[in-house]
Amino acid sequence: QQQVKQSPQSLIVQKGGISIINCAYENTAFDYFPWYQQFPGKGPALLIAIRPDVSEKKEGRFTISFNKSAKQFSLHIMDSQPGDSATYFCAASETGGGADGLTFGKGTHLIIQP
Amino acid sequence: DSGVTQTPKHLITATGQRVTLRCSPRSGDLSVYWYQQSLDQGLQFLIQYYNGEERAKGNILERFSAQQFPDLHSELNLSSLELGDSALYFCASSPGGDGTQYFGPGTRLTVL
Repeated sequence: QQQVKQSPQSLIVQKGGISIINCAYENTAFDYFPWYQQFPGKGPALLIAIRPDVSEKKEGRFTISFNKSAKQFSLHIMDSQPGDSATYFCAASETGGGADGLTFGKGTHLIIQP
Repeated sequence: DSGVTQTPKHLITATGQRVTLRCSPRSGDLSVYWYQQSLDQGLQFLIQYYNGEERAKGNILERFSAQQFPDLHSELNLSSLELGDSALYFCASSPGGDGTQYFGPGTRLTVL
């Protein structure tokens, strides 16, 4: 059972455009929603994260939008640059009990064309 | 650089063999997590340790086991290896409590 569904699988955006990646979750006990960026041959790097008590969080060109009632969250990359070309993963976890292994989406392969 | 180190970077072995992967968490982090990344299964949580004690289990096979030592480094033991165990294995660490996890560079395991 896939608890975090991510779309699209791949995305091509022109330089300077907005990249949007969407995720939906099923487990209402999830209370921590991070996004990770992964380059080939590297480990996932934490990009930005949000908790359900806020609807939006912005860090530089990266914004997470969160819709608790719809159980959906999305990553927006503004002014996308070729260096943003990577695979992006959404994830979720329950942090309350301290047992907080991450459940990941399948990933989105993002290509920013110059 | 996340501050999490993993050794070895690459490991090639044969079916039926046993290997040990090692992880050193960021300084001060008490939680260590192991994940497996493969093309068909994606990134999957295997197991979590907190200050030497097992805290949570994910999709970890019975052939796999882990432990966290008093100095907080962790080892993932994979035995009776099968071709399907070929994957990237990542360790992550966390100070604990807020969900934030920092991933290491991974160990690429190839089973021939």
